[in-house]
Amino acid sequence: GEDVEQSLFLSVREGDSSVINCTYTDSSSTYLYWYKQEPGAGLQLLTYIFSNMDMKQDQRLTVLLNKKDKHLSLRIADTQTGDSAIYFCAESRSRDDKIIFGKGTRLHILP
Amino acid sequence: GAGVSQTPSNKVTEKGKYVELRCDPISGHTALYWYRQSLGQGPEFLIYFQGTGAADDSGLPNDRFFAVRPEGSVSTLKIQRTERGDSAVYLCASSLSGTGLNTGELFFGEGSRLTVL
Repeated sequence: GEDVEQSLFLSVREGDSSVINCTYTDSSSTYLYWYKQEPGAGLQLLTYIFSNMDMKQDQRLTVLLNKKDKHLSLRIADTQTGDSAIYFCAESRSRDDKIIFGKGTRLHILP
Repeated sequence: GAGVSQTPSNKVTEKGKYVELRCDPISGHTALYWYRQSLGQGPEFLIYFQGTGAADDSGLPNDRFFAVRPEGSVSTLKIQRTERGDSAVYLCASSLSGTGLNTGELFFGEGSRLTVL
C-alpha cells in the first residue's frame, strides 16, 4: 500500500538549517514532492525530485533521496521567519497519477 | 482569477443534510482532484478526473460521496446524509496531467470548509 510518514513538529532557530524528514512505503513511487502550506492559504509545490535522482538543489532548498531506504529529506538553509509553515511530503507513481500526502511537519521558527 | 476557485468557502450544515461543493479548475487543466483535509492531517485523496471521467475514485470513503465533472471543467462533490465525521476542509486541485506538459504539480484551491453539526 501507499503510506507517507513524517514527524509532526520541528523547531529551528532563525538562521539555522531546517531538515524535514519523510519515509514512504511504495517502491513504485517515481515522483516525490514537497508542498508548503502557509496559514489560511492553499498548498503550493516547493520542489520535487524524480526517483532516478539522489539530490536536487534549488536556492536555499536541498532535497535528498535515499531510494533504497525510501527516505526523503528537505533541507532549508538559513531558515527565515517566512519559512514558518506546514511542509508536506508526497509521492506518486507517475506524473499523471494521484498524489499521496503525508500528515505534514509544522516548522516553527525561534527568534 | 487564474487560480483554482472553490465555493462555498465555508458551509455549515446539519447532520443528515445534502451538500454540494463546487470546484472551478485552472482553464486548460485536464485533470481535477478532490482531497479532504481534517485538522492536523495531510490531504487525503478522494477522487480524480481525467477530462469528464473518474480515473481513480478509490479514495471515496463510502457511497454517500459522489463527484461529477460533466463537461470536463467544473466539478461538483456531492455528499448525501452528512455525518459529523464528514467535517473537514475539502480541497480541489487541477493539473496538466495527461497532456504531455505535466510536471506533476497540483495547483490547489483554498478549500471549502464543511462543518456538520
